[in-house]
Amino acid sequence: GENVEQHPSTLSVQEGDSAVIKCTYSDSASNYFPWYKQELGKGPQLIIDIRSNVGEKKDQRIAVTLNKTAKHFSLHITETQPEDSAVYFCAATRGGVIFGPGTSLSVIP
Amino acid sequence: EAQVTQNPRYLITVTGKKLTVTCSQNMNHEYMSWYRQDPGLGLRQIYYSMNVEVTDKGDVPEGYKVSRKEKRNFPLILESPSPNQTSLYFCASTSFVARRYSPLHFGNGTRLTVT
Repeated sequence: GENVEQHPSTLSVQEGDSAVIKCTYSDSASNYFPWYKQELGKGPQLIIDIRSNVGEKKDQRIAVTLNKTAKHFSLHITETQPEDSAVYFCAATRGGVIFGPGTSLSVIP
Repeated sequence: EAQVTQNPRYLITVTGKKLTVTCSQNMNHEYMSWYRQDPGLGLRQIYYSMNVEVTDKGDVPEGYKVSRKEKRNFPLILESPSPNQTSLYFCASTSFVARRYSPLHFGNGTRLTVT
């Protein structure tokens, strides 16, 4: 089955700096890669996603890149703000939706 | 309002006492899934369903049952709960049309404690 790895597990950045979270997946047939943000006491919410026929997607301060050959994809957050502090999950989708273990991001004011 | 509703939000029970966590969605989604979230382990899939009467095991199905008799409901059943099932549980749903996934919509979670 699919296996998703995610690094780093924790990340601290100064406000205004960039943050990068990387994920790798094992099943080359996976074709949909969403990223979710989970704030304390809430369920995860989608922040950006990418499909396997696209290499990069951007939405304001957030971007995702996908390298199908290497089977990895990354989340980039620029100009980080304190409200970006949360746990971020990547996921790969084929059959079921399999999540990475999560990255706890802290943005220090 | 489009939403996934799971109940209860908090549940404390004893070992061996059967319980059901309900999940309902109002978006006519084909796909529904249950996850458990444990510190350091992220979200692990318990069971998922691609449509009515179609269910499949996820990564950690042992000790759990599900059913999908109606499109909107996907209850999670613990026939004989044990302390290692103490966890935070999330139900989620999404559209799955022509084999194309859409983003998952999550419920607000059920914090289960088994003593």
